Amino acid sequence: NAGVTQTPKFRVLKTGQSMTLLCAQDMNHEYMYWYRQDPGMGLRLIHYSVGEGTTAKGEVPDGYNVSRLKKQNFLLGLESAAPSQTSVYFCASSFNPRLAGGPGSEQYFGPGTRLTVT
Amino acid sequence: AQSVTQLDSHVSVSEGTPVLLRCNYSSSYSPSLFWYVQHPNKGLQLLLKYTSAATLVKGINGFEAEFKKSETSFHLTKPSAHMSDAAEYFCVVSDPGYSSASKIIFGSGTRLSIRP
Repeated sequence: NAGVTQTPKFRVLKTGQSMTLLCAQDMNHEYMYWYRQDPGMGLRLIHYSVGEGTTAKGEVPDGYNVSRLKKQNFLLGLESAAPSQTSVYFCASSFNPRLAGGPGSEQYFGPGTRLTVT
Repeated sequence: AQSVTQLDSHVSVSEGTPVLLRCNYSSSYSPSLFWYVQHPNKGLQLLLKYTSAATLVKGINGFEAEFKKSETSFHLTKPSAHMSDAAEYFCVVSDPGYSSASKIIFGSGTRLSIRP
C-alpha cells in the first residue's frame, strides 16, 4: 500500500516549456486534489476532482490543466511554464467528505514535486 | 465564508516545555477541523481532526487540540516538546456539508522550532 505517490520529485523547466505531473493513489479515493505551496502562503488549491472523468477549478487554476481518466490517477499539466509557477506541488486524495459525514474527509498527501521555472 | 487564521508564523520552545500553536477559524456551518504536520521536504501528515464528536481531540505523537465554539478556536497543544516535533503545522477548516473541495481552507502555517 503505497498511499499517494507523485512523479517526478524534482524538475527544472525553462520558460515556455510544458510538463505533466503525475499523481497516483491506491486507496480507492473518489476525491483528488492538486495544491501548490509557496512560502508564507500555506497550500492553495489549483484543481480538484470528485471522481473519474470529472475536474473542477480551485483557487488558483490559471496556467494549469488537469485530467482524471482513471480513478487512481490525477494529472496536472503546465502548457507553457512561467517563473511564477516555481513552487512545490502536492497531490492529495480523500473519500467523499459528504458521504463520509466528516470522519472520512481527511486528506492523504503525496511527498511533493519541487518545480523550478527559469 | 470560511477562513482560518494561524496566529503565529513561528513558535520557538525549549525541549521538554509545553507547545501551544494557535488557530482561529470562521465558518458559516459546523466545520470539520484538522491539524497537519509537515516535516522538511516531506508531504503533509494528519495529526488530528475534529468532526463534531468530543471537543478535546487527541492525535498522534502526544498532540491534542480543543474545539471551542464560543471562541472559534482550535489550538494545538503538547505537554512536552521533543526535538522531533520541529516542523511546519497547518490548521485546516472544512465544511462537511459541501462536497466541493473549494470549501477546504488551509492556514498559512506555523513553524515550530525546538531549542535543545
